[in-house]
This record gives sequence, structure tokens and C-alpha cells, in this order.
Amino acid sequence: DAGVIQSPRHEVTEMGQEVTLRCKPISGHNSLFWYRQTMMRGLELLIYFNNNVPIDDSGMPEDRFSAKMPNASFSTLKIQPSEPRDSAVYFCASIGATGGQPQHFGDGTRLSIL
Amino acid sequence: QKEVEQDPGPLSVPEGAIVSLNCTYSNSAFQYFMWYRQYSRKGPELLMYTYSSGNKEDGRFTAQVDKSSKYISLFIRDSQPSDSATYLCAMRKNSGGSNYKLTFGKGTLLTVNP
Repeated sequence: DAGVIQSPRHEVTEMGQEVTLRCKPISGHNSLFWYRQTMMRGLELLIYFNNNVPIDDSGMPEDRFSAKMPNASFSTLKIQPSEPRDSAVYFCASIGATGGQPQHFGDGTRLSIL
Repeated sequence: QKEVEQDPGPLSVPEGAIVSLNCTYSNSAFQYFMWYRQYSRKGPELLMYTYSSGNKEDGRFTAQVDKSSKYISLFIRDSQPSDSATYLCAMRKNSGGSNYKLTFGKGTLLTVNP
């Protein structure tokens, strides 16, 4: 079975540019999570969706960050404008509807803002 | 005080050693406790999943939860070089519905030397 697929795997861009990260959850999973991982703060939840609807976006750091889930098989996390402090590894995870299921993570996008 | 505290290490042990990894937490509402393993440049993968207090064993791995002390542990017996990774504890308050939000520790980097 295909796991959670994230693209791109690496992104290097200059400060001020728009960055779009993409995620394809596991087929049949109805909850999707975006996380950010840094050495200083560890793994932090940014936002999560249930049945394509944003449920909790309290972790989104500021208005420069936005996330969408237009359908059950695709989500984006956008940063506009990007800043050097946004440099981190961004993970997407998904989970099925059955209680007790673990979150399945993608391999992340390593983002560097110069 | 952060909700979940985890010693970041690094922890270095010889092959065959017993490894003990620990987390403490402050919120008594946490009911579900997990350990994730994360290899370098990969996403976290679920290793152990327990509900409430008690022990759970899976091969060389044992997870312990002591809710009275707000303390969880992961033990690795007969550690192998392939166990070298970052281990993250994670916790959740509710069992299902739309609330699958996990709170992670910052992770402990483990190296098992041949």
C-alpha cells in the first residue's frame, strides 16, 4: 500500500517567496495533519482536517501560513511570504476513521528559506 | 512547563544493552500513549500504543505507563544498531471522533554501537 506522499522532498528558496507544500494522504483516511519539526521546538501540530474540514488550526504560527484540503486525496500548506525562521521539516500525517488507529506520517519536506 | 517533557539525550549504548527512554507529562487528561521511532530523514513511525496505565510488550520492546506519576517509559532489550534512531513519545486525550490531536515530546536520539 502506498503511504502518505509528500512533495517536494526538499525546497530551498529565498526569503519573501511563496512556498507550497503538498500532501497525498493514504486512500480511505479521513483525517489529515500538518506538523512542523525543528530542533528547538520538536514536532508541532500546525493544523488538522477531518473529512476535508479544518478542525483545529490553533498551531498555525501566523497569517502567512494557510492550508487547504480541496478533496480527500490532496492537501496543501502554503507560506506567503516565507521567512528564514520558517526553515524546518514539514510533515503530513493521515489517519482512518476507526478508533485507535495510529497516525501514518509521510517522509516530510525539508524547507530552507535563505 | 511544557505539557510533555522528554530528555533529548543523546543516548549512546553498546549493542545488547537494555535501553530506557522516558517522558513525563503534566495534563492528567491524556489517556492514550504512544512511542514513535524516527530514522534520519524519515517520518515518525508508530512503535508502541497503550491505553491508560500498565505495561505492553512487543518483542524486544516494552512500554510502561504510570498515570499516577504522569510518567511513561519505553524499554528496549538486547538493543541492536538498527535501533539507532530518535524516539518520540506522544499522547492523546480522546479516543476518536474528530479529535486525534497528538502532543509529542521533543524526542531522544539513541545510538547503539556495534
